[in-house]
Amino acid sequence: ETGVTQTPRHLVMGMTNKKSLKCEQHLGHNAMYWYKQSAKKPLELMFVYNFKEQTENNSVPSRFSPECPNSSHLFLHLHTLQPEDSALYLCASSNAGRSNTEAFFGQGTRLTVV
Amino acid sequence: DQQVKQNSPSLSVQEGRISILNCDYTNSMFDYFLWYKKYPAEGPTFLISISSIKDKNEDGRFTVFLNKSAKHLSLHIVPSQPGDSAVYFCAAIPANAGGTSYGKLTFGQGTILTVHP
Repeated sequence: ETGVTQTPRHLVMGMTNKKSLKCEQHLGHNAMYWYKQSAKKPLELMFVYNFKEQTENNSVPSRFSPECPNSSHLFLHLHTLQPEDSALYLCASSNAGRSNTEAFFGQGTRLTVV
Repeated sequence: DQQVKQNSPSLSVQEGRISILNCDYTNSMFDYFLWYKKYPAEGPTFLISISSIKDKNEDGRFTVFLNKSAKHLSLHIVPSQPGDSAVYFCAAIPANAGGTSYGKLTFGQGTILTVHP
């Protein structure tokens, strides 16, 4: 596989459920990101990881918990979400450092909280 | 407060004509600008970018113009093709944002471009 792959593509979960979104990049990048796109709103940056270390958390509620075990994998653990958390969640990766590259995005996970 | 704005939610153009997508920004710290294109059920894909030290960047049918004094940029597609029909997002990166800056994007709301055959 090439590029940035996200699973699952679609997810429906109840407010008491715990689920995880997975992202994998095959581009050799060292930085990964989670974005959220709610209906009729721009993409919003949630988390930034650089060399597996979280370097940015844009005031995201603790019911969203990211994990980056290595520079190729990124997870977003979800628990006790609200219906307003329903959105498209996009993962991206880039090369950060000497040879910066533009961010490459995955196809996203369409999340519905019921 | 939205720092990057695309005020036209949609644009319809005839095949072969020019498509012009506009973007305005308010943060004077932005110094690198990108356009992404998104098809349904796919993630955004990078299209073209421009640094603030330039006022024009061209790549094939796509040209981006930057007017720093007006805090305005535009994407020109000529000639437009039906395959260009997609959502186009303008994005910006501030100066001195660090090594991960290229992924820390501030996006506009997007403009839906429809190119009719």
